[in-house]
Amino acid sequence: AQTVTQSQPEMSVQEAETVTLSCTYDTSESDYYLFWYKQPPSRQMILVIRQEAYKQQNATENRFSVNFQKAAKSFSLKISDSQLGDAAMYFCAYRSGTGTASKLTFGTGTRLQVTL
Amino acid sequence: EPEVTQTPSHQVTQMGQEVILRCVPISNHLYFYWYRQILGQKVEFLVSFYNNEISEKSEIFDDQFSVERPDGSNFTLKIRSTKLEDSAMYFCASRAGTDYTEAFFGQGTRLTVV
Repeated sequence: AQTVTQSQPEMSVQEAETVTLSCTYDTSESDYYLFWYKQPPSRQMILVIRQEAYKQQNATENRFSVNFQKAAKSFSLKISDSQLGDAAMYFCAYRSGTGTASKLTFGTGTRLQVTL
Repeated sequence: EPEVTQTPSHQVTQMGQEVILRCVPISNHLYFYWYRQILGQKVEFLVSFYNNEISEKSEIFDDQFSVERPDGSNFTLKIRSTKLEDSAMYFCASRAGTDYTEAFFGQGTRLTVV
C-alpha cells in the first residue's frame, strides 16, 4: 500500500517570503500522480498543483511550484511571495495511475502560518 | 465554473440514527468518491464508485455505510446507525474519465453525532 508522509506539522513564513513544504511517499508503482491540496479554515479541499510521475519537468502554478524527485520519492511544495491568504492546512496526496477509480492517499498535513 | 455540491453543510444526529449525506458531482464526471476527515486528522478514503457500482472501499466502510447514485445526478452516503466516532467532516469528490484529471471536492458536510 502507498503511504504519504509530511514531516512538518506546522510551518511559519513571513509575508512576501518563500517557504517549502516537504512530502515523501512510498510506492512500488511507476505510474502515478501527485497533488498538493490546500484546506483553509472553511475546510474545503482546493487543488493547488499536480504532477504526473512520468514528467521530469517540475509543475508550476503562478507562485506555487514543486520539486519532484522521483528516485528519492520526494515531492515538496514551494510557495513564493507568500500572502496572508496562503495560510491554511496543506495536504500532499498520491494517486495510482492504474485502476479505474483510483483513490487519493493523503499525508497528515502541514499547517502553514503567514505572519506580517 | 462547475463545482461539486454537498448538502447539508452541517448535520447533527443522535447516536443510532440513520443519516444520508448528499452530493451532486460535476455533471460529466464518471468517478465518485467519499472521504472522511475526523477533526485534526488527515483525510481518509471511504469508497469509490464507478459505472453504478463500488470500485473500492476502505476498512472504514463497513456494513453500516452504503452509497447510491439514485437518479444519475445525486450521489449519496448513508450511515445506518451512527456512532459517536462517525463525527467527522465528510467530503464528496468527483473526477472526469481520463487518468490525468484531478478530483474536485465539495465543501464538505460536518456530521456531529451526539
